[in-house]
Amino acid sequence: KAGVTQTPRYLIKTRGQQVTLSCSPISGHRSVSWYQQTPGQGLQFLFEYFSETQRNKGNFPGRFSGRQFSNSRSEMNVSTLELGDSALYLCASSYRTAGGVVQTGGANVLTFGAGSRLTVL
Amino acid sequence: QQPVQSPQAVILREGEDAVINCSSSKALYSVHWYRQKHGEAPVFLMILLKGGEQKGHEKISASFNEKKQQSSLYLTASQLSYSGTYFCGTSEVPNAGGTSYGKLTFGQGTILTVHP
Repeated sequence: KAGVTQTPRYLIKTRGQQVTLSCSPISGHRSVSWYQQTPGQGLQFLFEYFSETQRNKGNFPGRFSGRQFSNSRSEMNVSTLELGDSALYLCASSYRTAGGVVQTGGANVLTFGAGSRLTVL
Repeated sequence: QQPVQSPQAVILREGEDAVINCSSSKALYSVHWYRQKHGEAPVFLMILLKGGEQKGHEKISASFNEKKQQSSLYLTASQLSYSGTYFCGTSEVPNAGGTSYGKLTFGQGTILTVHP
């Protein structure tokens, strides 16, 4: 069973540019969440998508956006990059039912991808 | 508000035990524990649900005190492979739409180092 795949793994951008990161969840997983990891702030929740709809959003500015496609693949976009956006962006997928009911076996367990490391110069 | 983990760092020799604590000021629905090695993605260890406990590994167990909103991760007979940063991630009691499941609030992490 393939894991969560994130692309690209590394990228360097300059201030003011925009970036799009991609995440392919585990087959059968319909929920995709995005997290930002920095040494200072740790792991911070960005947003969660399920059935192509954003279900939860963290405390990030509107420059951070995302979407999910019908095949559950997700993308996140950061516009007008700032130096502080340099971070490891992690995508996590989970098996979540339409009703959001937590099933036995840890159905809402997050499986993380290896991340996309963004450096803003 | 993120949960608070303690201690911030632990240094052990192989075979020693360790306990990592995670405390939240909010009513929790679940507590997740993950381990992240340098340069790698966080890996799921265990989940504890409100009203129950689920063990993920043989030598790693955890407890969840619902009254205190605290969880503890127990690592017994540590091995070199246990080294890494341990994070607890918490989810709050879901709203009527059950929409909080993909959102975890992580603690700042506990760095565990196991020496031979």
